[in-house]
Amino acid sequence: ETGVTQSPTHLIKTRGQQVTLRCSSQSGHNTVSWYQQALGQGPQFIFQYYREEENGRGNFPPRFSGLQFPNYSSELNVNALELDDSALYLCASSLQGQGSGNTIYFGEGSWLTVV
Amino acid sequence: GESVGLHLPTLSVQEGDNSIINCAYSNSASDYFIWYKQESGKGPQFIIDIRSNMDKRQGQRVTVLLNKTVKHLSLQIAATQPGDSAVYFCAENRRSDDYKLSFGAGTTVTVRA
Repeated sequence: ETGVTQSPTHLIKTRGQQVTLRCSSQSGHNTVSWYQQALGQGPQFIFQYYREEENGRGNFPPRFSGLQFPNYSSELNVNALELDDSALYLCASSLQGQGSGNTIYFGEGSWLTVV
Repeated sequence: GESVGLHLPTLSVQEGDNSIINCAYSNSASDYFIWYKQESGKGPQFIIDIRSNMDKRQGQRVTVLLNKTVKHLSLQIAATQPGDSAVYFCAENRRSDDYKLSFGAGTTVTVRA
């Protein structure tokens, strides 16, 4: 167990709807990153939050947004869902940011299906 | 595009044999490399990491080798067990993008009894 917890584990949404996914980081970790993993592919970086601010973003449109709270937990919000948003969404936590080479732990993910 | 790739998408190994999973990267600025194991329906599980100032690092039944000259990374699993069946990803962290990991497509390892 990594101590990174995500919810919900599975959900189904309709195209055009909005979704919020949640993540609690490992105890003591102040940095949370979100990744999207399509079936059969490696995870793709969405963005990272450090000290409640976005600290880097991958090649994802603005309808992907996030928050980090004072307790370091985080949310990923996706608006105007598209069919291609169907994927496993992974949360990863680390200490002081990934650039320092600190170990990065992943949660079990939230499976999103858009129909 | 992807800068981290794996040489083979699948690997079949006899139980008890050693496994070698390979990964090539193209960015010489990569500073930190990690191997993850992902079982079906689960998130990636950290296996072992290595920094660019090292050539080799050993863990329990696993060894990671880094060859910076040819930009090659490998994961060796000793005495492969059925529980080692999973998808293995290498990931890199670059100094210029120190906030994100870049993953390869993964190698599916199947252990034959």
